[in-house]
Amino acid sequence: SQQGEEDPQALSIQEGENATMNCSYKTSINNLQWYRQNSGRGLVHLILIRSNEREKHSGRLRVTLDTSKKSSSLLITASRAADTASYFCATVLTGGGNKLTFGTGTQLKVEL
Amino acid sequence: GAVVSQHPSWVICKSGTSVKIECRSLDFQATTMFWYRQFPKQSLMLMATSNEGSKATYEQGVEKDKFLINHASLTLSTLTVTSAHPEDSSFYICSRTSGREETQYFGPGTRLLVL
Repeated sequence: SQQGEEDPQALSIQEGENATMNCSYKTSINNLQWYRQNSGRGLVHLILIRSNEREKHSGRLRVTLDTSKKSSSLLITASRAADTASYFCATVLTGGGNKLTFGTGTQLKVEL
Repeated sequence: GAVVSQHPSWVICKSGTSVKIECRSLDFQATTMFWYRQFPKQSLMLMATSNEGSKATYEQGVEKDKFLINHASLTLSTLTVTSAHPEDSSFYICSRTSGREETQYFGPGTRLLVL
């Protein structure tokens, strides 16, 4: 079964607002990654957070990881219309080599 | 710029024909590449891990005789959908590891429509 569940499934906000997406997973992980996918395109890596890290920043992105709750969140601050895309979390499971297991994804729409 | 390319970007074929999709690593010799399938508005499902010079490792439920993977060189992996049927219509995406093998670089995807 799929490893990660994400919520919300869809999110619509106004430009300038913050967007928060959540990801939950089921088993022990080495790291958790967030990817972005524009409609009908490939995925782009955004940020990686390791199992021993709790928070990480990259530009307007902030990722948190709570291994006790098996959950992660992605915060995009001061959103822009160009942030409109689908966002997926993906986990590398403990002992899983370098295989990624993707979550269900959140479709973000940022309106002008 | 892109580090992984796919060809073709889209293909329409008749039921029963075979379709080959190429995935190229443009800047890095990739001993391992991955093939995913994505249905509309759904997540990516890993189909198989492509290993250069050896057999691919397929995920549970993926028919290896249906989805033939060849990784004959360090820069090219191919996925052949044999005797394609309408239910094989999907978006197929390949990727390679980043070198540190923690993140992946993805190709732009190939949209397959089987009539």
